[in-house]
Formats: sequence, C-alpha cells, structure tokens
Amino acid sequence: QVQMVESGGGVVQPGRSLRLSCAASAFTLSDYSMHWVRQAPGKGLEWLAVLSYDGSHTYYADSVKGRFTTSTDTSKNTLYLQMNSLRAEDTAVYYCAREPVIPGATCDYWGQGTLVTVSS
Amino acid sequence: DIQMTQSPSTLSASVGDRVTITCRASQSISTWLAWYQQKPGKAPKLLISKASSLESGVPSRFSGGGSGTEFTLTISSLQPDDFATYYCQRYNTYPYSFGQGTNLEIK
Repeated sequence: QVQMVESGGGVVQPGRSLRLSCAASAFTLSDYSMHWVRQAPGKGLEWLAVLSYDGSHTYYADSVKGRFTTSTDTSKNTLYLQMNSLRAEDTAVYYCAREPVIPGATCDYWGQGTLVTVSS
Repeated sequence: DIQMTQSPSTLSASVGDRVTITCRASQSISTWLAWYQQKPGKAPKLLISKASSLESGVPSRFSGGGSGTEFTLTISSLQPDDFATYYCQRYNTYPYSFGQGTNLEIK
C-alpha cells in the first residue's frame, strides 16, 4: 500500500545542517507534487514547502526560504529536505505528504513524521 | 498571505452529539479548502477536500460545506473515535496554510 517513510531527524545544534528523507513506496514521486509540513511540539501544522510533480517548481514558506531546499532522487523514489542554518524554532516533527495532480486534490497521504530537535 | 482562523479552539462534546467547526479565510478561496483529523502522535488524515468532497473511506457522518471565506466541518453523531484535533487547510495558492486547529474533547 501507499507509504512514505521519513528519516534523518535527530538532535542538532543551532546553526548546523540536517537532511531529511522521505522514501515513497507503492507510487511514483514524479507523478505527484510533494509537500513538507511541520508541527512544533504541542502546536499546529505549518506548511513549509512544495516540489512540483515534474520537479520544475518549488515554493517555500517565508519562515524557511533561503535555508531549506527540497529535492528528489527519482532513482530512489525519495524526497529530501535539506535544512541549513537551523534554529531553535525549527524544532518540530516534519512530515512529507503527496498531492495528486488532479484538479481539486490536496495532500492525501502523509508520512509518519520525523522529529528534529535543534538544541545546544 | 491568506490567513485561516478556526473556531472554536476547543470543543467539548458527548458521544452522539452533532458538532460543527468553523474555518474562516481572510479572503476568498472559492472551495479550495480541506479538513484533516489528527490524533496524538499520528500524521494528519485527510477527511474532506474541495470544501465538501468526502474522501474515500471517511464515514458519512462527516460533512463539509461553505465557499468563499466561511467553511464548516460537521460531525452528525459523534463516535468515540472522533475525539481528535481537526485542522482546516486552504490550498488555492502557495503558501498553503492551516487553521490553528480545534481540539474536540470528550465532555
């Protein structure tokens, strides 16, 4: 069945970098737009970024623009989120989610999330 | 950017109750509105897209309505499994954004 498994989270010092992975199975990433959403402890959902299905477009929330980059490796069917210059306020569970390229559709499957803790 | 405001933030109800959660957009988003359910420690689950389109497998006691700037999620008869946090999300343009969430708790 459709599955997305995030990995790469952990504890990192402020100012350092981390790369998250989202490995997809039972579907092809390049058939979907792929999103990243995070949730700080005890807080709501915050949309972060999108990579268009064909890889031609990305869009980022202002809170991460210039620091985070999303990309894919089609050979591995894996989505990545490169996070640089991390701050304490980036501490959150990070989710990847797929969005079908169908009018009216939005994120229908989500990964289980990976926790990133930014702390010295 | 378009802001999404949900109300109430917390809703206490009993099994069998009919409840409604409201989501307002700071400007018109037509029907580009989704509702998600999230339980503790779990990923959000898509319930409704396009304001009123029920996702496959979602019980028919859930319904969505509205257009423009005001939207509702209604649960017609609460079941024990429905106690969770609910989020609205607009997806008309980037950046997408979520409401702050409504915690539906047992009275």
